Amino acid sequence: KAGVTQTPRYLIKTRGQQVTLSCSPISGHRSVSWYQQTPGQGLQFLFEYFSETQRNKGNFPGRFSGRQFSNSRSEMNVSTLELGDSALYLCASSPHGRAEIKTQYFGPGTRLLVL
Amino acid sequence: GIQVEQSPPDLILQEGANSTLRCNFSDSVNNLQWFHQNPWGQLINLFYIPSGTKQNGRLSATTVATERYSLLYISSSQTTDSGVYFCAVDASGTYKYIFGTGTRLKVLA
Repeated sequence: KAGVTQTPRYLIKTRGQQVTLSCSPISGHRSVSWYQQTPGQGLQFLFEYFSETQRNKGNFPGRFSGRQFSNSRSEMNVSTLELGDSALYLCASSPHGRAEIKTQYFGPGTRLLVL
Repeated sequence: GIQVEQSPPDLILQEGANSTLRCNFSDSVNNLQWFHQNPWGQLINLFYIPSGTKQNGRLSATTVATERYSLLYISSSQTTDSGVYFCAVDASGTYKYIFGTGTRLKVLA
């Protein structure tokens, strides 16, 4: 099976712009989570989607949003970019079902630089 | 919210040495995972281990849920083991994982 894919891998934007990142989960996985990783704050949970519904959201401002499509692919959007949004954005997919398979598989990430 | 602490923060080993990484969490959890992040940023899941003990080659992990800690053992370390090791816990049961600050491991040849 192909792993989790994320596009684009690298992105440079300027303050005030908006950005959309895409994540394709492993085939058959229905849960997709997004995380932000920065040197100062570490890995922080953004949100999690299952069957096109957001089930959980982390402590991020409303500028951060996401969605999931019927094929489980997910996008996240950041509007009005700030310098502090520069980070590695990671997407993870998980199968949904028995407790013993609640493992997350991460994509390679999108490195966003805001100038 | 739940707090996750990892120790030690940094570790330097000679190739062939063994090590133990610790993860303490402040509340009961539904799910717990260990990850290795390589120098290119890729997170690789090592174990899904909310309780009990598991082994995979030179790596093993133990979670004592009642005492709120988990341990990751690395035996006969290799230079390719270098990177950052993260513990992540989920108290909600719906994949809202909280990550620890990680243990940065460097294995010297």
